[in-house]
Amino acid sequence: EPEVTQTPSHQVTQMGQEVILRCVPISNHLYFYWYRQILGQKVEFLVSFYNNEISEKSEIFDDQFSVERPDGSNFTLKIRSTKLEDSAMYFCASSEEVSFFGTEAFFGQGTRLTVV
Amino acid sequence: AQTVTQSQPEMSVQEAETVTLSCTYDTSESDYYLFWYKQPPSRQMILVIRQEAYKQQNATENRFSVNFQKAAKSFSLKISDSQLGDAAMYFCALQGAQKLVFGQGTRLTINP
Repeated sequence: EPEVTQTPSHQVTQMGQEVILRCVPISNHLYFYWYRQILGQKVEFLVSFYNNEISEKSEIFDDQFSVERPDGSNFTLKIRSTKLEDSAMYFCASSEEVSFFGTEAFFGQGTRLTVV
Repeated sequence: AQTVTQSQPEMSVQEAETVTLSCTYDTSESDYYLFWYKQPPSRQMILVIRQEAYKQQNATENRFSVNFQKAAKSFSLKISDSQLGDAAMYFCALQGAQKLVFGQGTRLTINP
């Protein structure tokens, strides 16, 4: 069964360093998302991406964050200068249809980011 | 703005019994979808069940069913014949125009 794959599963980084979280969405999917979950809290939307551009972003997704689909298969989230409060589980998701409304979003297994 | 509220931080149930997890939401959109996701200790997000807001019939998936009350903006999840493998965090989520908005989650414990 096709699945969304995220790497690495766990990343430890020093405060102020740049990190890139990688995702390989399901191959025929058209919409891509990043969500984050701070430990013990709810899952929060960061950004959605369609047709090689951001379609929606949340207040959390400030200038420190960027997304890219560099090669038609990978979907990356970059955090330029990490802060302690960026420590969280980051989930990538993708969905299939052009009309994404109500379409199931398939989630990756997550990347646990720890900023020290 | 869309909001989702799960008022039960924790629930427990005896194995083989039935448990209901509550969820209320608020949205100004007329068309939307509602979901329940399960997050086991591995922290992966697994879709349990979904409900289209325009459908009056409640969705069911084997032992999982929902009670969707559109006027009350309520969307509860009923798990019948609870199994040890059902132990997890359960998140209610609302999807309007793209993104999913999640509730705070309910931690479900199954007592053998």
